[in-house]
Amino acid sequence: AQSVAQPEDQVNVAEGNPLTVKCTYSVSGNPYLFWYVQYPNRGLQFLLKYITGDNLVKGSYGFEAEFNKSQTSFHLKKPSALVSDSALYFCAVRDGVNQGGKLIFGQGTELSVKP
Amino acid sequence: EAQVTQNPRYLITVTGKKLTVTCSQNMNHEYMSWYRQDPGLGLRQIYYSMNVEVTDKGDVPEGYKVSRKEKRNFPLILESPSPNQTSLYFCASSFNLGGRDEQYFGPGTRLTVT
Repeated sequence: AQSVAQPEDQVNVAEGNPLTVKCTYSVSGNPYLFWYVQYPNRGLQFLLKYITGDNLVKGSYGFEAEFNKSQTSFHLKKPSALVSDSALYFCAVRDGVNQGGKLIFGQGTELSVKP
Repeated sequence: EAQVTQNPRYLITVTGKKLTVTCSQNMNHEYMSWYRQDPGLGLRQIYYSMNVEVTDKGDVPEGYKVSRKEKRNFPLILESPSPNQTSLYFCASSFNLGGRDEQYFGPGTRLTVT
């Protein structure tokens, strides 16, 4: 069965410092991995995805994520956090082999960036 | 403008009164899906549709129905709403490229069932 875990409910970072939001996954086949961001009172917005190829994926707003197959992780990173990055972040996984329609989301991580 | 629209955005109703939340996309996407968002539980998939007349259950389908008669529309139906269906609901769509494509989300519908 597919599953996603975001072990931290909240991450606090000072502006200008690097940030990491953690995600681990479990799928039976090859994973398709996604990060989405939700700003207050808004729908989710796509940030980046890993399908195949280079393990380091770059996305919107300066975010990047590294796919680590041995650790089954897909952590979201940014070298220098901005106050405007404060939002709720979701990791999601789909089983690429089965290619079904199911998409599993993690429970979300609240990122707070303080000036 | 490419978008996913949902209506209504806010709804307060009573137990047992049938309701429909509409979802429409203008991007010619094959794939559409409904999610509910609850604190501490993230987003959970209710139903999804790979194309017209093709729908399947997600993780939490109980108490919900969907239909996909046209490509652009994917309504969510609650035949007899109950208080445990109070939640924030999102519709999403994408191209169906073997699951590789990212989804576009609607603005959400906040439903309260009393």
